[in-house]
Amino acid sequence: DTGVSQNPRHKITKRGQNVTFRCDPISEHNRLYWYRQTLGQGPEFLTYFQNEAQLEKSRLLSDRFSAERPKGSFSTLEIQRTEQGDSAMYLCASSLGWQGRETQYFGPGTRLLVL
Amino acid sequence: AQKVTQAQTEISVVEKEDVTLDCVYETRDTTYYLFWYKQPPSGELVFLIRRNSFDEQNEISGRYSWNFQKSTSSFNFTITASQVVDSAVYFCALSEPLYNQGGKLIFGQGTELSVKP
Repeated sequence: DTGVSQNPRHKITKRGQNVTFRCDPISEHNRLYWYRQTLGQGPEFLTYFQNEAQLEKSRLLSDRFSAERPKGSFSTLEIQRTEQGDSAMYLCASSLGWQGRETQYFGPGTRLLVL
Repeated sequence: AQKVTQAQTEISVVEKEDVTLDCVYETRDTTYYLFWYKQPPSGELVFLIRRNSFDEQNEISGRYSWNFQKSTSSFNFTITASQVVDSAVYFCALSEPLYNQGGKLIFGQGTELSVKP
């Protein structure tokens, strides 16, 4: 059974550049979540999808961030005009269910460093 | 507002010692879920346990055990006879109110466990 995968695992970029991350959830999982984790902190919720619909976005998700899940399978998270404060680990999780009480399984994360 | 507090930032033990990681949560909801995840140096969060608020039975899985007490809003995690491979950051998490149906998790700050040989 394949787990959640994320690409790339590491990304170094210069301030002002755009970056895009990809998440492939566990097959048939209808829910997909994005979290951000900074050093020494727990993950913080960014947004989630139920199938292809983006149902909630955190206030942490500024206008420079956009996420998509076009066919209800993989998802992409894009950050435009990156800033040094965007440096963090971006985690993706998926779950199967409809009521928000299901276990979320996490991918290995994408570690972003903005210079 | 919901909140999870893991007061122990770092714990260091010697192999074979027992260790307990504390988790205290705040919520006004009567129905909620609590989770523990392990994050080894590789970075991936590994699911350990999910417990719903109506089930206060303690659970044991091998060397791991969990003590859930609603009266003190605590969900503590004990590792018996710790091993070097247990070294990781451990996170306690609380589900958001179920009427939201979003399911996002509220995490504590984590406890870094170091098990020395």
